[in-house]
Amino acid sequence: AQSVAQPEDQVNVAEGNPLTVKCTYSVSGNPYLFWYVQYPNRGLQFLLKYITGDNLVKGSYGFEAEFNKSQTSFHLKKPSALVSDSALYFCAVSPTSGTYKYIFGTGTRLKVLA
Amino acid sequence: NAGVTQTPKFRILKIGQSMTLQCAQDMNHNYMYWYRQDPGMGLKLIYYSVGAGITDKGEVPNGYNVSRSTTEDFPLRLELAAPSQTSVYFCASSPSEGYNSPLHFGNGTRLTVT
Repeated sequence: AQSVAQPEDQVNVAEGNPLTVKCTYSVSGNPYLFWYVQYPNRGLQFLLKYITGDNLVKGSYGFEAEFNKSQTSFHLKKPSALVSDSALYFCAVSPTSGTYKYIFGTGTRLKVLA
Repeated sequence: NAGVTQTPKFRILKIGQSMTLQCAQDMNHNYMYWYRQDPGMGLKLIYYSVGAGITDKGEVPNGYNVSRSTTEDFPLRLELAAPSQTSVYFCASSPSEGYNSPLHFGNGTRLTVT
């Protein structure tokens, strides 16, 4: 079965430190990869996506993500965390064939400590 | 530009009651989706639509129905509400490019069934 795993329910990081939120996937073919952020009482907001090309993708709010095909991973990173980055982060995969059904991970809560 | 608008924001239902969750988008997107979000479970796809008059089931369609009479609107109907349908419901849309397009989410409807 196709799946997306976010192995950490919560990640704590001090403000100013680099952060990483992990995502691995098990999907056939060469799927498209996404990161979304969710703030309290809001819908998910698109951060960045990987389609093809450079393995390091830059997105909104200073976030970037590193694609690793051999490890089937797509980790979200930021060089210097802000308290305002505290939110729930979702990794998602869009298979490149079949129906338009995105597969979401279970989410990782990021807490940036002042 | 309003994006994806969901109503109501909150609702409490008694077991066995019915209701319709409204979703409208003003971006002329062909693809629309309904997800439910349960704690620690990520997002599960209920139904989706690739255009007016076309709908299909997602992972968890039981207990729900949808219709898509216009490009803009994609209401979700709950018949005979059950406590298991207590959740946060998100509507989303994406443009015709499909697989590599990010989803645009509404702010959600929080439903409690007691």
